[in-house]
Amino acid sequence: AQSVTQLDSQVPVFEEAPVELRCNYSSSVSVYLFWYVQYPNQGLQLLLKYLSGSTLVESINGFEAEFNKSQTSFHLRKPSVHISDTAEYFCAVRITGGSYIPTFGRGTSLIVHP
Amino acid sequence: SQTIHQWPATLVQPVGSPLSLECTVEGTSNPNLYWYRQAAGRGLQLLFYSVGIGQISSEVPQNLSASRPQDRQFILSSKKLLLSDSGFYLCAWSATGGYAPLHFGNGTRLTVT
Repeated sequence: AQSVTQLDSQVPVFEEAPVELRCNYSSSVSVYLFWYVQYPNQGLQLLLKYLSGSTLVESINGFEAEFNKSQTSFHLRKPSVHISDTAEYFCAVRITGGSYIPTFGRGTSLIVHP
Repeated sequence: SQTIHQWPATLVQPVGSPLSLECTVEGTSNPNLYWYRQAAGRGLQLLFYSVGIGQISSEVPQNLSASRPQDRQFILSSKKLLLSDSGFYLCAWSATGGYAPLHFGNGTRLTVT
């Protein structure tokens, strides 16, 4: 079975600073990888996904994530954060050709200070 | 485009009362449907998922149940709520295929008093 580990439960950072939210997974088969963002009292929104091809994927609001197969990681980065990026971020994995059930990490709370 | 509707947004219910949360999806057919619960400060707990009408799989034994009476309708129910049922309930859908991401509704904040 696959699993997802988000190493940091909370990441405080100052506005305009860079940030990295870490995600590691374990799986014996190939995977699809996702990052979701959740603002307070809202549902999760898809931020970006890796299905195949280029290992670097980008979102429309400046986030990017890189799939590293050897490290089994899919870390999320942004070079300069805004106050509005304050939210909960979830990493998720689905195995290829298999279960309907994605596995989510426990989430990382990104707190951007002015 | 596809949309997902979940209601109500908030709900306060006494212990022992029944529960019915509804979720509908528009703009797609034969979606996979999911119910998740999110306790305060914690991650997502998958409660139920469905790959078709009348097909429900339960991930966690508890006093909740789910039904899928129509292709794009998913209902979460309880006959008697417990205090521990309080939480943020999220409905989600996905296309079939492991590559498909989940799309979430806006959630229902349930407080059992």
